[in-house]
Amino acid sequence: SQQGEEDPQALSIQEGENATMNCSYKTSINNLQWYRQNSGRGLVHLILIRSNEREKHSGRLRVTLDTSKKSSSLLITASRAADTASYFCAYSGAGSYQLTFGKGTKLSVIP
Amino acid sequence: DAGVIQSPRHEVTEMGQEVTLRCKPISGHDYLFWYRQTMMRGLELLIYFNNNVPIDDSGMPEDRFSAKMPNASFSTLKIQPSEPRDSAVYFCASSNRAHPSGANVLTFGAGSRLTVL
Repeated sequence: SQQGEEDPQALSIQEGENATMNCSYKTSINNLQWYRQNSGRGLVHLILIRSNEREKHSGRLRVTLDTSKKSSSLLITASRAADTASYFCAYSGAGSYQLTFGKGTKLSVIP
Repeated sequence: DAGVIQSPRHEVTEMGQEVTLRCKPISGHDYLFWYRQTMMRGLELLIYFNNNVPIDDSGMPEDRFSAKMPNASFSTLKIQPSEPRDSAVYFCASSNRAHPSGANVLTFGAGSRLTVL
């Protein structure tokens, strides 16, 4: 399977703390994306980083990409209870348009 | 735009029955994807279409599964006959190849939760 792996599988933090989630993948990629899924809902696109970029910011989100290690991390700063959700990385292999999703990290932010 | 619309949201059926899941993608999107999500296997791509034409159905588990896209605004995923191991949440997602990033950024529907007894 070419499915990506996230770690940790589950993360519980206090409101205001930072949350870091990691993603590893196995193939060469064009880009890597992060999605959020609230309980009982569909996935929502958060941020995209291209293979030639090392870091990207969007509001309280910071994504890094290390293509030599085939890994990415998503940092959520100053977490809020509303950030409670599952977070998935997804990537397209070189020359491919379809996305492969990791198994996700379940984040719980305690008020 | 109302986003990607899926129906039904919940379906409970008995083994052996036919199940049809429906999807209306975002207007103007030229790609449509069907995913299945389970605790054990995560999100699996079943099939995807480009301009209503199936491009890759290698993820379809077996012949009991079929998908069609008769026009740009409608797609169905059919399971016949259904089995308990088909119980999962089925997501439809669409995307636009002309996205400014050039990447495949998906917009997901809310999903159809299928329970086969």
